[in-house]
Amino acid sequence: AQTVTQSQPEMSVQEAETVTLSCTYDTSESDYYLFWYKQPPSRQMILVIRQEAYKQQNATENRFSVNFQKAAKSFSLKISDSQLGDAAMYFCAYRTSWNFGNEKLTFGTGTRLTIIP
Amino acid sequence: GAVVSQHPSRVICKSGTSVKIECRSLDFQATTMFWYRQFPKQSLMLMATSNEGSKATYEQGVEKDKFLINHASLTLSTLTVTSAHPEDSSFYICSALAPGTSGGAGTDTQYFGPGTRLTVL
Repeated sequence: AQTVTQSQPEMSVQEAETVTLSCTYDTSESDYYLFWYKQPPSRQMILVIRQEAYKQQNATENRFSVNFQKAAKSFSLKISDSQLGDAAMYFCAYRTSWNFGNEKLTFGTGTRLTIIP
Repeated sequence: GAVVSQHPSRVICKSGTSVKIECRSLDFQATTMFWYRQFPKQSLMLMATSNEGSKATYEQGVEKDKFLINHASLTLSTLTVTSAHPEDSSFYICSALAPGTSGGAGTDTQYFGPGTRLTVL
């Protein structure tokens, strides 16, 4: 079974600075998908970014980018120019690439990010 | 982006009663929806996978008769907590699988509802 580990329960960053959240995973599969979801105080889960394992290029979405190291099974999230609205719980998630019936996500335990004004 | 709604957002009920939570995909059809449970300061725990027109697939340890799931249409899935007890108090979140724009398995993405806080007295 796949596992996802987020070793940083809490992180903080000064507003406008850059922060990196860590995520490692364990799998025997060669093809899969990785996600970062954000859960702000409203508790609405929001997709931040996704990465296909077969793509070598790291995904980027505006101020959010990932550092995907397949051999090391590492998938970190970098937030540039941190804003107060980035304060949230961030969850890393894994999904197998198999077809229908295998779409479920395996979540890490989360990292709570605090933005310091 | 894809929008998923949940109703109600909060519900308080007495022990022994049943509570129904609705999950709707508002701007797309979802053959697959998921139900999660989240305890305070913890991650999401998948309870079951709901497929339109068929029986839900429950995760190990989740009581099927306790948590009834119905996915009667491509935009609606319901979770009914039967004979609720205080230990069922939790935050319940649904998600719906939106098809990807480029097609093929894996390009689809889970979009989440805003959650339902259930308190059983």
